[in-house]
Amino acid sequence: DAKTTQPPSMDCAEGRAANLPCNHSTISGNEYVYWYRQIHSQGPQYIIHGLKNNETNEMASLIITEDRKSSTLILPHATLRDTAVYYCIATSGGSNYKLTFGKGTLLTVNP
Amino acid sequence: KAGVTQTPRYLIKTRGQQVTLSCSPISGHRSVSWYQQTPGQGLQFLFEYFSETQRNKGNFPGRFSGRQFSNSRSEMNVSTLELGDSALYLCASSLASGTGIGELFFGEGSRLTVL
Repeated sequence: DAKTTQPPSMDCAEGRAANLPCNHSTISGNEYVYWYRQIHSQGPQYIIHGLKNNETNEMASLIITEDRKSSTLILPHATLRDTAVYYCIATSGGSNYKLTFGKGTLLTVNP
Repeated sequence: KAGVTQTPRYLIKTRGQQVTLSCSPISGHRSVSWYQQTPGQGLQFLFEYFSETQRNKGNFPGRFSGRQFSNSRSEMNVSTLELGDSALYLCASSLASGTGIGELFFGEGSRLTVL
């Protein structure tokens, strides 16, 4: 799995968009970018994943740069319940069914 | 649809004892993975089972073992417990179609305290 780099912490005002960056400059062509989050004392929760194209679901949007060396997770209207540690993971999947979690970004949404 | 269920949620053991943790995956999911989470090391992969076979193993000593039953339920066992084994043990299930890791669904974890 490619190494990912995320800022250790970020703040966001409630109701505003939260933009969480992730650097994965050594990502290979067959590696997907996955985002998970972990709310305190709970198991991680899948958010979204993508390969090349931008992706959107009911939770968030994922913007991947054209060279695929970085990506941004966007929570369009952050709420207090979005306060969590967000993990960006690059993995090829296939028979390698494991995720390598880094330290992630602690997003704090403030009222 | 019921989520991933882990039991017990909390347990306390003493050094030298052994412990068995259980995980019931989401119905239809055939892959079960286990992770250990500690404040110092973060989330670390233990092992993954698919159709009762261990397909992947992380860098943990042999005291950590697991198995998967024909109904996809899984157990992990830690023998000769050490203080450093105190952690949140997380189980995740996946459809694991074979073409990618897909989306992992995590349980709420079993918090083990070793005294």
